[in-house]
Parts: sequence; C-alpha cells; structure tokens
Amino acid sequence: DAGVIQSPRHEVTEMGQEVTLRCKPISGHNSLFWYRQTMMRGLELLIYFNNNVPIDDSGMPEDRFSAKMPNASFSTLKIQPSEPRDSAVYFCASRVTGNSPLHFGNGTRLTVT
Amino acid sequence: QKEVEQNSGPLSVPEGAIASLNCTYSDRGSQSFFWYRQYSGKSPELIMFIYSNGDKEDGRFTAQLNKASQYVSLLIRDSQPSDSATYLCAVTFSNQAGTALIFGKGTTLSVSS
Repeated sequence: DAGVIQSPRHEVTEMGQEVTLRCKPISGHNSLFWYRQTMMRGLELLIYFNNNVPIDDSGMPEDRFSAKMPNASFSTLKIQPSEPRDSAVYFCASRVTGNSPLHFGNGTRLTVT
Repeated sequence: QKEVEQNSGPLSVPEGAIASLNCTYSDRGSQSFFWYRQYSGKSPELIMFIYSNGDKEDGRFTAQLNKASQYVSLLIRDSQPSDSATYLCAVTFSNQAGTALIFGKGTTLSVSS
C-alpha cells in the first residue's frame, strides 16, 4: 500500500505566481480531502470530494483557490495568484467511506515570498 | 456550525504518569470520533477511533466518548517521552450531501523523563 502521495513536498514561489499541488489517494478510497495547516488556525478543511464530485468547498478561502478531481486517482489544488498569507502546509487525505478514518499524505509545505 | 474545541496546552506530565486530553464538539448528531497524533514536521497519524458511548482501550491508550455531553477524551497511561507530540481530535459532521471530518486545533503534550 503506497499510501496517499502528494507532490511537491516543498514549494517556494513568488507572490502572484500560480501554484498547483497534486495528490494521489489510496486506491479504492472513495473520498478525498484537502486541508491547510498553520500555527494560528490549525488544520482547516478546504474541500472534500466523494466519488470525484466536490461535496463541500465552503472552506476554500477565496476565489483564488480551486480544486479538481478529474478521476479517482488524482486531484489538484490550485492557487492563482498566490499571496504570502497562503504560506502553510497543505495536506491531502483519503478514506474508504463516510465514517472511516482518514489517511494523510506527507503534505506540501508552501512558501510564498 | 462545525466546531471542535481542544485546550491548546502545553500539557506537561512526568514519564510514567497518565495524560488526559479532552475535546468537545458542537453537533449532537456527530457519529464518529478520532484521535490523531502529529509530530513536528510530520503528517497526522491515526491512533484511536470510537463510535459508541463508553470507553475503548488499545494498549496504553483509552478513548472515552459521552455523546450526551458532546465530549470525547483520550487517556495515555504510562506516558513516555516518545508520546510528546500534538494530539488532534477529529469529529464527523454529516448532512444530506456527505460527511466532513473537522479537526480541533490540537493539544501539545510534553512528557519529561
């Protein structure tokens, strides 16, 4: 079992640039979640998908953020344009069913200068 | 409103003592409850889950759930320095569309030898 795979592990970019974070969930998992973690706000839910369909994106901070899941094995989180306040660790996680535990990827540490 | 509350700590205990971590949540209808451990710079890892009122034991860990009080706790017996980490409480919040998993901000535990 390869686990949830995220890329890149680290991303450093300049303000105004587009950033794309990638995630491959565990095979057979039906739900995929994107979280953002900062010291001040903790682990915040941004959006989650069931069977590739976005269910709740109310946590997406603003229109600069978008997420897609074109198939069961791939999802992206895009920030355009990026701002320094977007600097955080972004985690992707997946699970089998609605009440089963989430399995996390290793995260992407984003720094926007 | 989906809220999960934890004391941020730090909670400091001597080696061999019992550490008690607490969590409250806002939705009386929540069904599933999870405790994750997160070491600095790492991703959250699942240590316990509980679905029914009462206690659930796994080795040195005991999860306790009281749905009437909307309260869940984690006890760590015989605490070890390796238990020093941030402990995240997570609770499911469901609606007709799906089931989100919301995290508290975490409690930092420090076990001194």
